[in-house]
Amino acid sequence: GAVVSQHPSRVICKSGTSVKIECRSLDFQATTMFWYRQFPKQSLMLMATSNEGSKATYEQGVEKDKFLINHASLTLSTLTVTSAHPEDSSFYICSAVGGTFGSGTRLTVV
Amino acid sequence: GIQVEQSPPDLILQEGANSTLRCNFSDSVNNLQWFHQNPWGQLINLFYIPSGTKQNGRLSATTVATERYSLLYISSSQTTDSGVYFCAVASGGSNYKLTFGKGTLLTVNP
Repeated sequence: GAVVSQHPSRVICKSGTSVKIECRSLDFQATTMFWYRQFPKQSLMLMATSNEGSKATYEQGVEKDKFLINHASLTLSTLTVTSAHPEDSSFYICSAVGGTFGSGTRLTVV
Repeated sequence: GIQVEQSPPDLILQEGANSTLRCNFSDSVNNLQWFHQNPWGQLINLFYIPSGTKQNGRLSATTVATERYSLLYISSSQTTDSGVYFCAVASGGSNYKLTFGKGTLLTVNP
């Protein structure tokens, strides 16, 4: 079946630095990917829709300059958390059309 | 946007018991999926079920689209069934741009 590989699985970074999270579709082409965020003991919230070759579409309330999304190829979408702060600490997870999810990235900003 | 409500929020069972989880949604949907999130955060797709009934081993699900609800049945529960169960729906546009409910935290005790 379809597999989405997400890396890294865990990352700890210092406040003010940037972190890049990658999602790759391994055996299929993903023209669209979705990025979600999950705070502890809460549900998943859609952050943005990533479209290959065009700008991402962000959900209301999500800062596009803070959460940079790049979908430069049919198999790779990246989410960069810029100038990370402790309140950005969360679980980030991507999915592709077909409802296949990556394994998630737990970001801790110290 | 569409609202998704899950009940109960928490459920504690003894191994071997059966359970029913409910998902109500506020509008017509293109897609409805049930997921199990394990303690490591990974989302496992259980069912893609915008309507009808499906079964997979000890799990089954039924969606009554006209009445805007879905049920997930777990029979003969095992400790490995513990975790959070999410219902997620898509309404309009992409079938995989999902809105998640708040989940049901299931604990199965030995």
